[in-house]
Amino acid sequence: DTAVSQTPKYLVTQMGNDKSIKCEQNLGHDTMYWYKQDSKKFLKIMFSYNNKELIINETVPNRFSPKSPDKAHLNLHINSLELGDSAVYFCASSQRTSGKDEQYFGPGTRLTVT
Amino acid sequence: AQRVTQPEKLLSVFKGAPVELKCNYSYSGSPELFWYVQYSRQRLQLLLRHISRESIKGFTADLNKGETSFHLKKPFAQEEDSAMYYCALKASGTYKYIFGTGTRLKVLA
Repeated sequence: DTAVSQTPKYLVTQMGNDKSIKCEQNLGHDTMYWYKQDSKKFLKIMFSYNNKELIINETVPNRFSPKSPDKAHLNLHINSLELGDSAVYFCASSQRTSGKDEQYFGPGTRLTVT
Repeated sequence: AQRVTQPEKLLSVFKGAPVELKCNYSYSGSPELFWYVQYSRQRLQLLLRHISRESIKGFTADLNKGETSFHLKKPFAQEEDSAMYYCALKASGTYKYIFGTGTRLKVLA
C-alpha cells in the first residue's frame, strides 16, 4: 500500500522523443507536485495542482505539460526531449487543510536522455 | 527573492560527535521551515518542521529570525544518520516549497 507511486522508475530514451511519467497517491491528498532533481541534487519545484487545478507553474519549458485527471493522479508529459532533461523527477502530495503541509514524496523517476 | 542556502555540500563527522547542518533563508514574510531527509535508497521524507518544535531522532532545529537561519543539530551523531538533508521553506499561505541544495551527511565509524 504505497502512498505515492511513480511509473516508470527508470526511463531511458533518445533526444526528440516524447515521454510521460505517471504519479498516483492513495493518501486522499488534495495537492500534488512535480519536482526535478538535477545531477547536483538540487531539488526544484516545477508544477503543483490543487484539486485538479494548476496552482504553481514555475519557469519550465512548455515542452513539459502536467495533467491531472483526478485528485489522485498527476502525470507529466515531456515533448521533444533534450539532453538537459536528464534528471530524477519526483512526485509529491500533501493535504493543505491538514495544517501540517507535510509533503509525501514518491520514489522518483530517473530519466536519461541520450 | 525567496531563497534557501545550505552552504555545505558534504559534512563528515565521526560517530558520537555533534553535528550541525546549516540552513539560511531569504524571505521577507513569515516563513514555514522544514528539514527533509533522504536515506540511501529511500524516499525523501519529512524530518521536522519548525512549527512543531519537536526533536526527531535526536535532531532539533530552531528558527532564528534575526539571523534568518534554521540550522539542524544533533549532539551525538550516529552512523544511521548518514543521508542527504534538505532544508525547505514555504511561504505562508502558498503551496510553493523552496528547497536548498542539500547537504550530504556522512557519519564515520
